[in-house]
Amino acid sequence: QSALTQPPSASGSPGQSVTISCTGTSSDVGAYNYVCWYQQHPGKAPKLMMYEVTKRPSGVPDRFSGSKSGNTASLTVSGLQAEDEADYYCSSYAGSGTYVFGGGTKLTVL
Amino acid sequence: EVQLVESGGGSVQPGGSLRLSCAASGFTFSTYWMHWVRQAPGKGLVWVSRMNGDGTTTTYADSVRGRFTISRDNAKRTLYLQMNGLRDEDTAVYYCARSDWRDYWGQGTLVTVS
Repeated sequence: QSALTQPPSASGSPGQSVTISCTGTSSDVGAYNYVCWYQQHPGKAPKLMMYEVTKRPSGVPDRFSGSKSGNTASLTVSGLQAEDEADYYCSSYAGSGTYVFGGGTKLTVL
Repeated sequence: EVQLVESGGGSVQPGGSLRLSCAASGFTFSTYWMHWVRQAPGKGLVWVSRMNGDGTTTTYADSVRGRFTISRDNAKRTLYLQMNGLRDEDTAVYYCARSDWRDYWGQGTLVTVS
């Protein structure tokens, strides 16, 4: 149950696009289309932003999109806005009823 | 409105025990998988445990297996996490979350082991 690998930080200017990667293995990200992404603002609970790789929950702006290739999943935020500044975590099903999170990426809107 | 409210956190010495509760409302609790996820101060999210709707299936992270026990009382709409043999590294905010996508989260309860 090793953590998924995310870059510690990412940044972009308002209006730009930024992509956050999430690298796992053939036993988790590569094996299942059960990747989720969460947004967490300081002192707040995480919020689901993407599930099953590409599906957006109701209320999540379509500026957020997800994808996966092999053992790496990605979250793209287009048209960056100030309120997008937060920590982002990926998570994947890892088999046998277990799950694993990434280490988190701090997104800064410049 | 879906609500999850955790309670039971606090300070405990190494080796001690604590039971966390997560009171659910606004949805049919008995039909959902429920999860516990923790976050050490200044660190990332870590999955802890999961239980199915009728309480017959549970799984645990390697780091807590054998020490923590997840359970639920569907009549009380409450999820529990019994934590025994607590270690310094168990210090964290513990969140309960609904469903295998963890689409709703509580506000968390802080457990400090020292």
